[in-house]
Amino acid sequence: QKEVEQNSGPLSVPEGAIASLNCTYSDRGSQSFFWYRQYSGKSPELIMSIYSNGDKEDGRFTAQLNKASQYVSLLIRDSQPSDSATYLCAVNHSGGGADGLTFGKGTHLIIQP
Amino acid sequence: KAGVTQTPRYLIKTRGQQVTLSCSPISGHRSVSWYQQTPGQGLQFLFEYFSETQRNKGNFPGRFSGRQFSNSRSEMNVSTLELGDSALYLCASSSRTQNYGYTFGSGTRLTVV
Repeated sequence: QKEVEQNSGPLSVPEGAIASLNCTYSDRGSQSFFWYRQYSGKSPELIMSIYSNGDKEDGRFTAQLNKASQYVSLLIRDSQPSDSATYLCAVNHSGGGADGLTFGKGTHLIIQP
Repeated sequence: KAGVTQTPRYLIKTRGQQVTLSCSPISGHRSVSWYQQTPGQGLQFLFEYFSETQRNKGNFPGRFSGRQFSNSRSEMNVSTLELGDSALYLCASSSRTQNYGYTFGSGTRLTVV
């Protein structure tokens, strides 16, 4: 059973601080890793993808991947109230994309003004 | 560039009926996958299609089926509806040139009564 685990939260972070979201996955052969943001009543929106060990930065977002520890994280710097949402970690097990995505159940992030 | 289009946005069906949902991917995307989202189970992979072929299927009963047409548009069908099929059904499309990042449509909210 391929599983993706996230702390459901809520994770409460003051405005301007760094929010740190974590995710672990069970399938060691997983190839691609994604972070999606989902606002209440909306569909998931892709914010970061990462494929190799290390850090990947895009604006205020940094994704970190450690395949040896089977661990993915997302850092949000200078957190804004508009970052309040559920963050979903997703894993693709096949490099060809045939398996679809396995999602964690999401972490509910609240940015306190 | 138009996004992923799902129709209809909302549906109310009676137990035992069947339903067909439609998804038009982003132009040029040939991979379409379907997901079911419920509060209890989160986002779960249903199936993925590429070039009119089902590449993989999630752990759902045979009442859930799908197909993809030559223009990459996809439909999913649920027969003999059960109350537990009430969910948000999301379609996502992907282009291999985008490193398998999946873009989601707005979803179809299905309510079975």
